[in-house]
Amino acid sequence: NAGVTQTPKFQVLKTGQSMTLQCAQDMNHNSMYWYRQDPGMGLRLIYYSASEGTTDKGEVPNGYNVSRLNKREFSLRLESAAPSQTSVYFCAITDRHYGYTFGSGTRLTVV
Amino acid sequence: SQQGEEDPQALSIQEGENATMNCSYKTSINNLQWYRQNSGRGLVHLILIRSNEREKHSGRLRVTLDTSKKSSSLLITASRAADTASYFCATDPITQGGSEKLVFGKGTKLTVNP
Repeated sequence: NAGVTQTPKFQVLKTGQSMTLQCAQDMNHNSMYWYRQDPGMGLRLIYYSASEGTTDKGEVPNGYNVSRLNKREFSLRLESAAPSQTSVYFCAITDRHYGYTFGSGTRLTVV
Repeated sequence: SQQGEEDPQALSIQEGENATMNCSYKTSINNLQWYRQNSGRGLVHLILIRSNEREKHSGRLRVTLDTSKKSSSLLITASRAADTASYFCATDPITQGGSEKLVFGKGTKLTVNP
């Protein structure tokens, strides 16, 4: 999806391993978000950042940490991965006028 | 917690027919948005309707909003096989602090048969 780049696209972790999901935007938007999508559950908000230097918890923050490194980048870290964190993770951005722009997602499997 | 709930969960129609999906929500909102997701892809923004608007059009899409009933509908006219996707409504609830945090429903899976 134009404007939002997520890496990696796929990842398999063992229980207890850590990893960081990266999100970068080139649209100069202030607000950035991390969602997870599970079958039959829709999207649930993990963390968000309304502007550079600020982060806040969403609906399902447990087991995750985030960093808003600068205006362009917003990373999501799993310190000790658990099978319940198997999901598809989406980064999104918005300027609050025209809706969200989503990245293409990271498909994470924890075994 | 899910704010928006789409209905039906799944819809199968023939090419050329119209498809209607509904969304109900629970709290007061700033706006309501509809997104499309093709299998294995990210979500794509379709249309945004503000709380003071009742109807909005974009190409073959028509969205209505009834804030008194806390409901919205998405109509896709003259559907095509390429419209096959999952459709999500998302609401921007009015909250203290004013940060926008969209809350998504579980989606309607639309299949358009050629």
